[in-house]
Amino acid sequence: DAKTTQPPSMDCAEGRAANLPCNHSTISGNEYVYWYRQIHSQGPQYIIHGLKNNETNEMASLIITEDRKSSTLILPHATLRDTAVYYCIVSPRGGATNKLIFGTGTLLAVQP
Amino acid sequence: DTEVTQTPKHLVMGMTNKKSLKCEQHMGHRAMYWYKQKAKKPPELMFVYSYEKLSINESVPSRFSPECPNSSLLNLHLHALQPEDSALYLCASSPLKVRENTEAFFGQGTRLTVV
Repeated sequence: DAKTTQPPSMDCAEGRAANLPCNHSTISGNEYVYWYRQIHSQGPQYIIHGLKNNETNEMASLIITEDRKSSTLILPHATLRDTAVYYCIVSPRGGATNKLIFGTGTLLAVQP
Repeated sequence: DTEVTQTPKHLVMGMTNKKSLKCEQHMGHRAMYWYKQKAKKPPELMFVYSYEKLSINESVPSRFSPECPNSSLLNLHLHALQPEDSALYLCASSPLKVRENTEAFFGQGTRLTVV
């Protein structure tokens, strides 16, 4: 399984964009980049995923570099409710070996 | 219905007790997972079921015994646990077919305390 590296913590001012980086230099061609977050004492929540193109949904945008060795999750207007641990995970899509292996994640603290 | 429901939410058990954790989903997902999460650590994968068959066991001690009686239910049977097994136990489910969106849905977890 490919490994990911994330900064342990980041701060962001409320209303500003939060940019969370992730390195995944050993990613394989069939592996997707997934982002999940875990708000304190809750189960992880899916945010977004992508293969090589940039992706956007109602929660966030995902920017993947051309060589696919790193990515950035962007929360365009962070709110206090976005304070959580954000996990970047690389995994094949579907199949019997589909499993999510969590790294240490980034604790994002949104400040008022 | 996009929920994964776990019961109970909290469980306190003695080291000689036998208890079970339950997980249920009605999204038609054919992959189900058990994770263990200690405080301030990321979730650790324990077991994966694919089409109701155990496909991955991440070298979990035998005092944890998973069971998938049908495509909607996943159980984790606990026996002779140790205090260090106290943790948040998370269940998740996801589709298996590549053409479907493969995001995983997680339950809110069972907070287990072994005394």
